[in-house]
Amino acid sequence: DVKVTQSSRYLVKRTGEKVFLECVQDMDHENMFWYRQDPGLGLRLIYFSYDVKMKEKGDIPEGYSVSREKKERFSLILESASTNQTSMYLCASNPTGAPYEQYFGPGTRLTVT
Amino acid sequence: GIQVEQSPPDLILQEGANSTLRCNFSDSVNNLQWFHQNPWGQLINLFYIPSGTKQNGRLSATTVATERYSLLYISSSQTTDSGVYFCAVPLNLNTNAGKSTFGDGTTLTVKP
Repeated sequence: DVKVTQSSRYLVKRTGEKVFLECVQDMDHENMFWYRQDPGLGLRLIYFSYDVKMKEKGDIPEGYSVSREKKERFSLILESASTNQTSMYLCASNPTGAPYEQYFGPGTRLTVT
Repeated sequence: GIQVEQSPPDLILQEGANSTLRCNFSDSVNNLQWFHQNPWGQLINLFYIPSGTKQNGRLSATTVATERYSLLYISSSQTTDSGVYFCAVPLNLNTNAGKSTFGDGTTLTVKP
């Protein structure tokens, strides 16, 4: 069974703090993703990585950065958290070749106060 | 990019009823998934179904890629089926199938 794990289910941070969200997958997938989900806005892609040290901006990268030093681990960094980054953050992974089945982690509910 | 539209946006059923959820997309795709988002927020894979029909217990799905739609059938619904159902297709035809675009989801409520 594919497993995607995220470091926290719930997180509360203060405005201005640096926040790290970590994601680990155990299926040797090349592609990893960070999404955020907000009511009425659906799932929006923040960043995408298709290989170690490779990254690509998604639809809403502003205020975020990412790091992928090892194939199994993809980190999302909020350099200076703001209240508008309060959201549900979802990590996912899938292989490059078919089947292109994407697997999600349990999500992290981040609240920035 | 490819556009995805799901219908209906909301569905309320009595336990035991059957339902059909629809996903329309704007171009031929080689990759389509259905997910169920549970009350805790996790997206659970239901089907990877770029074409044809698959069944898993009370759930089944059919994708007709040439007609640009997919259907998810839920039979004898249970309260645990409640949640949001999403379909996802590749963002565009040139993607290596890594990036996906998601529909807005169908929110299903099953009442006891």
